[in-house]
Amino acid sequence: SQTIHQWPATLVQPVGSPLSLECTVEGTSNPNLYWYRQAAGRGLQLLFYSVGIGQISSEVPQNLSASRPQDRQFILSSKKLLLSDSGFYLCAWKGYSNQPQHFGDGTRLSIL
Amino acid sequence: AQKVTQAQTEISVVEKEDVTLDCVYETRDTTYYLFWYKQPPSGELVFLIRRNSFDEQNEISGRYSWNFQKSTSSFNFTITASQVVDSAVYFCALSSSIDRSGGSNYKLTFGKGTLLTVNP
Repeated sequence: SQTIHQWPATLVQPVGSPLSLECTVEGTSNPNLYWYRQAAGRGLQLLFYSVGIGQISSEVPQNLSASRPQDRQFILSSKKLLLSDSGFYLCAWKGYSNQPQHFGDGTRLSIL
Repeated sequence: AQKVTQAQTEISVVEKEDVTLDCVYETRDTTYYLFWYKQPPSGELVFLIRRNSFDEQNEISGRYSWNFQKSTSSFNFTITASQVVDSAVYFCALSSSIDRSGGSNYKLTFGKGTLLTVNP
């Protein structure tokens, strides 16, 4: 069966520090991968998606970047975090056809 | 542009009551999918249902049922005989294709969610 892993689960970082959140999927190949952010107030915003290795599409201009160095690995990064980067970050994957997206457990990021 | 509206920000019911969560969407796509996800207090998003835009047949799964009406662009979710464990934030979402060639890759636009609290 397919599983998705995100880490870390919780992260507290100072303003201006770098960021690296990792997401990996097991049990499938060539998945679509997605990064979402959920700020206070609950709305989910799509940040990036990837349909293959090295293929990244950005949905909103921001302080973050994403990379997909391997088929089942998706990384969210920042060189210098802002206070506004605080939130709950969720990674999701989708297999072939029009299957639903399945989400990881998320990372709670607090910026001090 | 895609848009999903969940007008109910919060709903509070007493256990065993029925409750309906509303979802209205906007899209120019002729083919799309609608989804409902549940987010319990622990934070993970749990997939509940997917509905194809060509299939307006209502669906029932245990205490859950979904009413899709294309004419009103609505995809409402009803929980019958609610339980305390149903307490969560529920999200409605709409797909849009990210394939120029019409493939199956898509992205989701989420509503802002409805916080359902079921009291004992």
